[in-house]
Amino acid sequence: GAVVSQHPSRVICKSGTSVKIECRSLDFQATTMFWYRQFPKQSLMLMATSNEGSKATYEQGVEKDKFLINHASLTLSTLTVTSAHPEDSSFYICSARGLGTGLPTNEKLFFGSGTQLSVL
Amino acid sequence: RKEVEQDPGPFNVPEGATVAFNCTYSNSASQSFFWYRQDCRKEPKLLMSVYSSGNEDGRFTAQLNRASQYISLLIRDSKLSDSATYLCVVNMDDYKLSFGAGTTVTVRA
Repeated sequence: GAVVSQHPSRVICKSGTSVKIECRSLDFQATTMFWYRQFPKQSLMLMATSNEGSKATYEQGVEKDKFLINHASLTLSTLTVTSAHPEDSSFYICSARGLGTGLPTNEKLFFGSGTQLSVL
Repeated sequence: RKEVEQDPGPFNVPEGATVAFNCTYSNSASQSFFWYRQDCRKEPKLLMSVYSSGNEDGRFTAQLNRASQYISLLIRDSKLSDSATYLCVVNMDDYKLSFGAGTTVTVRA
């Protein structure tokens, strides 16, 4: 079945460094990828939506120059947190919908397993 | 007002009990509704979609009340494995899903 593979699952980095998170769709083509952030005891907050081959659409309040999203192929989307700071520490998770999942596009999202980012 | 609001709980219930909780949404034009389950620091997993007529999947029953703009989830005969955070998810349009902050359920032996 459709699976989204997300790596790394956990990353600890120093303040000021950049961190790249990858999400790969397996057995289907991810035409749309959503990137979320979740702080402890809070809901998933949509950061941006990307369609393959297009620039990502960012939600209000999300800095596009800080959170770089690349969705160059139908099976890979990346989120790069540039110049990370301690306040960027959070759980980042991607989800995809697309072709070949056998479901209507608004029926189900396939989630990656999430990345816990800790910035020291 | 938040787009999707849930009682955070926690709901602490003994095994075998019934537990129910609601979720309210602000956009009357919302089309699709879902309950997801999320275990600590894991990805959310679809529990069930919520249909206008209400639907049941084993011990889980979901209902939609469009007039009052809420959906509900009822868990019968609770198991220890039902302990999790339950996320209410509303499809605002074809691309945007809004998540509630979750309702925590703890089932004790």
